Amino acid sequence: LAKTTQPISMDSYEGQEVNITCSHNNIATNDYITWYQQFPSQGPRFIIQGYKTKVTNEVASLFIPADRKSSTLSLPRVSLSDTAVYYCLVVSYGNNRLAFGKGNQVVVIP
Amino acid sequence: EPEVTQTPSHQVTQMGQEVILRCVPISNHLYFYWYRQILGQKVEFLVSFYNNEISEKSEIFDDQFSVERPDGSNFTLKIRSTKLEDSAMYFCASSAGLAGVTGELFFGEGSRLTVL
Repeated sequence: LAKTTQPISMDSYEGQEVNITCSHNNIATNDYITWYQQFPSQGPRFIIQGYKTKVTNEVASLFIPADRKSSTLSLPRVSLSDTAVYYCLVVSYGNNRLAFGKGNQVVVIP
Repeated sequence: EPEVTQTPSHQVTQMGQEVILRCVPISNHLYFYWYRQILGQKVEFLVSFYNNEISEKSEIFDDQFSVERPDGSNFTLKIRSTKLEDSAMYFCASSAGLAGVTGELFFGEGSRLTVL
């Protein structure tokens, strides 16, 4: 499983767009990039998954450059309730386990 | 929205006792998982279950642990001879497809186990 590296924490003001980066230098051809969110004392929640270029859903956008060695999760206009730990994971096609790292603690400030 | 439900939400037990944590996965899902998170640490994979058998397990999932799907709805994790270091939040999850295909696992709220 490719290792991921994320900043430990970041702060953002309410209403701003937040971009959360992740590096995965050893990503393999059949790996996907997946992001989860976790609130305190709750289970992780799936946000988005992508393979390359850009993926967008109702919650976030995921930007993946051509070399796929990094990715950026973009949260538009965050609110206080977006304060959470955000995990970037690399998941191999056909694999059945998720390997969570330490994640990035995002704190949204009023 | 369908959800994974877990019981109990919190269990306190004495060291050496056996505990059973219960989960009701989303009804049309085929893959079931247990993860755990020790306070302040990473979410760790324990085991995945498909077609009534374990499909993958981590090095954490030793003989002390077992899983079962006793009927069509419940999925249980049994921990025998609990130790202090088993204190953690245990998350059940389910998915319609392989994690590596859909990426989307649905996690429950967790069962907090405290071993005294």
